[in-house]
Amino acid sequence: SAVISQKPSRDICQRGTSLTIQCQVDSQVTMMFWYRQQPGQSLTLIATANQGSEATYESGFVIDKFPISRPNLTFSTLTVSNMSPEDSSIYLCSALGGALLGAFFGQGTRLTVV
Amino acid sequence: KQEVTQIPAALSVPEGENLVLNCSFTDSAIYNLQWFRQDPGKGLTSLLLIQSSQREQTSGRLNASLDKSSGRSTLYIAASQPGDSATYLCAVIKAAGNKLTFGGGTRVLVKP
Repeated sequence: SAVISQKPSRDICQRGTSLTIQCQVDSQVTMMFWYRQQPGQSLTLIATANQGSEATYESGFVIDKFPISRPNLTFSTLTVSNMSPEDSSIYLCSALGGALLGAFFGQGTRLTVV
Repeated sequence: KQEVTQIPAALSVPEGENLVLNCSFTDSAIYNLQWFRQDPGKGLTSLLLIQSSQREQTSGRLNASLDKSSGRSTLYIAASQPGDSATYLCAVIKAAGNKLTFGGGTRVLVKP
């Protein structure tokens, strides 16, 4: 099965700053996704990271707040911009490994905004 | 719009007891269903994937069944151990290459 390396694993950030989270997949994948998981909640999809084009954002999420890059088929970044305490969550990247593998996830980034 | 529900939200059992976790979905036109485990503050680990044409999948003490017509999947964990304590999430994909729709998860505590 494929592996995603996600970093940082955790960070504590000041209000008003930005944090960029990176995900590196050990094989080429077509689809990559970014999720947010607020405390005690299930996963909420932020956007689909498209290689070579702009990401597709879900309702309630905008590019100015969560810019995403996908320069190739193995790498993506998510930036959380102008952070506030409400952005404190776990952020997870995911990729689809095909019909037999399904989805797999990075280790998550635990973000605390103070 | 697909909705995925997991009941109960939390479950506590003594060690050795079998676990039964339920997942229901509203749209039976799915591509596959996947069960994940999540430890606190961590990412998701895939446990089992059931393709739409399959009825069940097994891996060690884990067995997952799928009944598309009734919109249900069940994850069985035999002879539970304290190390099985975690949150278990199910997710469905409508079509190949599509995004996952997650249930709310079941938080499991296995008491020694």
